[in-house]
Amino acid sequence: AQSVTQLDSQVPVFEEAPVELRCNYSSSVSVYLFWYVQYPNQGLQLLLKYLSGSTLVKGINGFEAEFNKSQTSFHLRKPSVHISDTAEYFCAVSDQGRDDKIIFGKGTRLHILP
Amino acid sequence: NAGVMQNPRHLVRRRGQEARLRCSPMKGHSHVYWYRQLPEEGLKFMVYLQKENIIDESGMPKERFSAEFPKEGPSILRIQQVVRGDSAAYFCASSPPGGKNSPLHFGNGTRLTVT
Repeated sequence: AQSVTQLDSQVPVFEEAPVELRCNYSSSVSVYLFWYVQYPNQGLQLLLKYLSGSTLVKGINGFEAEFNKSQTSFHLRKPSVHISDTAEYFCAVSDQGRDDKIIFGKGTRLHILP
Repeated sequence: NAGVMQNPRHLVRRRGQEARLRCSPMKGHSHVYWYRQLPEEGLKFMVYLQKENIIDESGMPKERFSAEFPKEGPSILRIQQVVRGDSAAYFCASSPPGGKNSPLHFGNGTRLTVT
């Protein structure tokens, strides 16, 4: 069974500084990987996804993530954060092939400091 | 094109009552997932359904919880005899028939409070 670990529960960052949110996964088979964002009192929205091909994936709002198979990681990055990026970010994984559930990490709360 | 609709947004129940949470998937989506969110615990998978079929319910508590996705109408998550520990935000997500490489579209959740 697959699992997702988000190593940081909270990350404070100054506005306009770069940020990296870490995600590691475990699975015995090939996977699809996702990052979702949750703004207060809302559901989750897809930021980006890795299905196959290029390991560098670009998403919405200037975010990107890199799939590293050898390190089983899928870290999320943004070169310059804005106050509007304040939200909770979730990494998710699902096994390729057959229908299966999508498993989420515990989330990382991004605090943007003025 | 309406997104995933969940209702009610907030639900208050006394211990022992029943809670019914509704989810209307996006038009054309035949896959529905239910997740529970507790503070500091992230999203916990509960159940994955397709029309008239439960595909995976490995995250559902064995007692008091049930889910359905009938041929017509919304998906329902039903919690019988609620207890305080059931208080949480419950999120529904849907996806089209393409499977899991199609991203999930989430509703805004139902926040259940058990008093």
